[in-house]
This record gives sequence, C-alpha cells and structure tokens, in this order.
Amino acid sequence: SQTIHQWPATLVQPVGSPLSLECTVEGTSNPNLYWYRQAAGRGLQLLFYSVGIGQISSEVPQNLSASRPQDRQFILSSKKLLLSDSGFYLCAWVAGGRSNEQFFGPGTRLTVL
Amino acid sequence: RKEVEQDPGPFNVPEGATVAFNCTYSNSASQSFFWYRQDCRKEPKLLMSVYSSGNEDGRFTAQLNRASQYISLLIRDSKLSDSATYLCVVTRNSGNTPLVFGKGTRLSVIA
Repeated sequence: SQTIHQWPATLVQPVGSPLSLECTVEGTSNPNLYWYRQAAGRGLQLLFYSVGIGQISSEVPQNLSASRPQDRQFILSSKKLLLSDSGFYLCAWVAGGRSNEQFFGPGTRLTVL
Repeated sequence: RKEVEQDPGPFNVPEGATVAFNCTYSNSASQSFFWYRQDCRKEPKLLMSVYSSGNEDGRFTAQLNRASQYISLLIRDSKLSDSATYLCVVTRNSGNTPLVFGKGTRLSVIA
C-alpha cells in the first residue's frame, strides 16, 4: 500500500533562517506531488505541484521554492523565512492516470518567530 | 466569486441529527469533486468522491448538480466522532489537475 511521509513534524525557526521540508512517497511510481500551506484559520493554499522529476509548477510568487530530485521525493525550501511563512505545510500525492484523489501526508507545523 | 464557497459554520448539532453541507464552485470546467474531512491540527483525509449520479457511503450521501455548480454532503445519525471540518474540493479543470479546496465547514456534534 502507498504511504506518504513528511518531516519534521514540527519546526520553530527564527526569521531569516533557511528552511527545508521533505516529503517522500512509498508504494507508487511517477506520482503527481503537491505542496500546500494552511495558515491559522484559513483554507489550503496550493504552493507547488510536480508531475515528474525536475518538473515544478509554482502557484503563488513568494520566497519559497520546491524541487523534485527523485521520483518519490518532493522538497520545499526557503533561503530566508518570513513571519508570514508560519503555517501547516502539507504534502500530497495523486497516483496519476484518471484519478484525481489526493492523499495527504501528516504535515509539518512551522512557526517562524 | 471564489472558486469554491462553503458556509464556514460552525454547525452545532445533537447526536443523531441529520446535517447537510452545501458548496458551490465557479469553474464549469471542473470535472472531479470530493469531500474531505479534517480533524483539528491534522491532515485532510478523503471522505468520498462525488459522482453525477450521487453516491452513498453508510451514513454519508453526496450529491452533485452540474447545472447549478452545486455539491452537497448529507450526514445522517450524526456521531460525536463526526465532529470535524468538512472540505469541499473540485478540480480546476478537466484531467489530472490541481485541486481547489474550499475553506471548510466546521461541524460539532454534541452529546
């Protein structure tokens, strides 16, 4: 069966520090992968999605970036965090083909101080 | 108009009640529709897909009206464990495209 992992689970970082969040998927190949952010009391905002290795689509201009170095690995990064980057970061995958059902990882709760 | 609109609630209902959530979407090209459930401080989990013919899974019934661009979720015989935020989700376009999430409707089932 397929599983999706995210780490770390929680993170507290000072303003201006770098960020690297990792997401890996097991039990599937060539998935579509997504990064979302959910700020306190708000809906899910799509940040990036990837349909294959090295292919990244950015939804919202900001100081975040994403990379997909391997088929089942998706990384979210920042060179300098802002206070507004605080939130719940969720990685999701879709098996591909005709299904659009997305399955989420457990998320990383980031607090920028 | 927002891509996906939901009544934020909260809906406070007693155990055993029937509750209905509504959702409208703006993009007529959307092809796939879902309801997700999100517990406090947890990731969203797929509750059910929504088909044009309507579909039922136990106490949960989902309906889609493409002409009105309207989706509904009905929960019968509410349980305390149904307390959560329910997210209405649609695809942006046809095919395997990013999903657009509503902000969710919060449900509290009270003993």
